[in-house]
Amino acid sequence: EDQVTQSPEALRLQEGESSSLNCSYTVSGLRGLFWYRQDPGKGPEFLFTLYSAGEEKEKERLKATLTKKESFLHITAPKPEDSATYLCAVQARADYGQNFVFGPGTRLSVLP
Amino acid sequence: DARVTQTPRHKVTEMGQEVTMRCQPILGHNTVFWYRQTMMQGLELLAYFRNRAPLDDSGMPKDRFSAEMPDATLATLKIQPSEPRDSAVYFCASGLGITGFSEKLFFGSGTQLSVL
Repeated sequence: EDQVTQSPEALRLQEGESSSLNCSYTVSGLRGLFWYRQDPGKGPEFLFTLYSAGEEKEKERLKATLTKKESFLHITAPKPEDSATYLCAVQARADYGQNFVFGPGTRLSVLP
Repeated sequence: DARVTQTPRHKVTEMGQEVTMRCQPILGHNTVFWYRQTMMQGLELLAYFRNRAPLDDSGMPKDRFSAEMPDATLATLKIQPSEPRDSAVYFCASGLGITGFSEKLFFGSGTQLSVL
């Protein structure tokens, strides 16, 4: 069964204090790993897709990396507007149902 | 900006009543997903459509839930009868699947359902 875990569950940072969020996954043949951001009262918003180990993607203060077992979302010099829940999801290569299996998320708070 | 539209945004109902949630996917998208989000379970897939055909509804309680796509611009999720344990946020998401897989999903703002 495909599974996704994320750590930490919650993270509180001071503005400018860089850190990383972890997503560990078990999947029968990874087709893609996805990062989403979710603000309170809203639906998840797409950030990145990673397809193979060693791949990296960047967007503003965020950088996502991928290994064969986990992905990291690095946040450099975060600002209060980066506060949100960050969700990781995987899609299995053999999953013809195309299900995106989501992790529980990391709730990030960036204090000014 | 193109976006997925869900109605209603909030719904409070009594146990046993029928609930219908609607979703308008992004024009041109050919895949539609229904997810349920709770604090305990996170995001769970309920049903998935490709080109309006239901492909996976294994996550849905069949005795009370039903999902349909009457046309390409409308997806519905019905609960009948509703129960307190159905209280959650229900998200619709759409995507464009060209190679057989949706590359990424665009989510609506969700329907917050409370069943008393």
